[in-house]
Amino acid sequence: AQSVTQLDSQVPVFEEAPVELRCNYSSSVSVYLFWYVQYPNQGLQLLLKYLSGSTLVKSINGFEAEFNKSQTSFHLRKPSVHISDTAEYFCAVSEGNTGKLIFGQGTTLQVKP
Amino acid sequence: DGGITQSPKYLFRKEGQNVTLSCEQNLNHDAMYWYRQDPGQGLRLIYYSQIVNDFQKGDIAEGYSVSREKKESFPLTVTSAQKNPTAFYLCASRSGTGDEQYFGPGTRLTVT
Repeated sequence: AQSVTQLDSQVPVFEEAPVELRCNYSSSVSVYLFWYVQYPNQGLQLLLKYLSGSTLVKSINGFEAEFNKSQTSFHLRKPSVHISDTAEYFCAVSEGNTGKLIFGQGTTLQVKP
Repeated sequence: DGGITQSPKYLFRKEGQNVTLSCEQNLNHDAMYWYRQDPGQGLRLIYYSQIVNDFQKGDIAEGYSVSREKKESFPLTVTSAQKNPTAFYLCASRSGTGDEQYFGPGTRLTVT
C-alpha cells in the first residue's frame, strides 16, 4: 500500500530565511505527487504537482519541489519565506485511476518576524 | 465562479443524531471525495465517487453514508454509529486521471 511520510510536524523559521519541508513516499508504481497548503479553518489549495517530465516543479509564489525517484522523495523548498507563508502543508500521492489521494500527516510552517 | 461549496461551515449536533453535510460543485467534475481531518493525522478518505450513481468506501467509511444522484452533488451523512464524529470534513472533486483535486472550504462538525 502507498504511504506518505512528512518527517517534521512543525518547522519554525525566521522571515526571509530558506525552508525545506520534507516528504517521502512509498509506492511500487509510478505516482503523481502533490503539495497542498491549508490556512486555518479553510480547505486545501494546490501548491504544485508532479505528473511526469521535469523533476523540478515550481509554483507561482516561489515554492519548488523536486521529485527524486531513487530516494522516493518530493521535498518542498522556498529560498526566502514570508510571514504570509505561515500555514499547514500537506504532501500527497495519487493512487492509480481512482485519483484517491494518500496524505502525509502535515507540516506546520511557522514564519517568525 | 466555478468551485466547490460546503454548507454549513459550522455544525453542532447532539450525540445520537444523524447529520448530513452538503457538498456541491459546478466544475463539471466526474469524481468527488469526502475526507475527514483530525489534528496531527492529515486527511483520511471516507468515501469517493467516480461517476453518478456509483461510490466506493474509503479507509474510514464505518459510521458514514453517501449518495451520488447528481453529478454536482455528493452529500455525506454522519450516522449515530460513528464513534467519534467531531472533526473537520472536507469535500473535493477531480476532473480526470492525474489531475489535482479541488477542495471545498470544509465543514466543522461538533457533536456533544
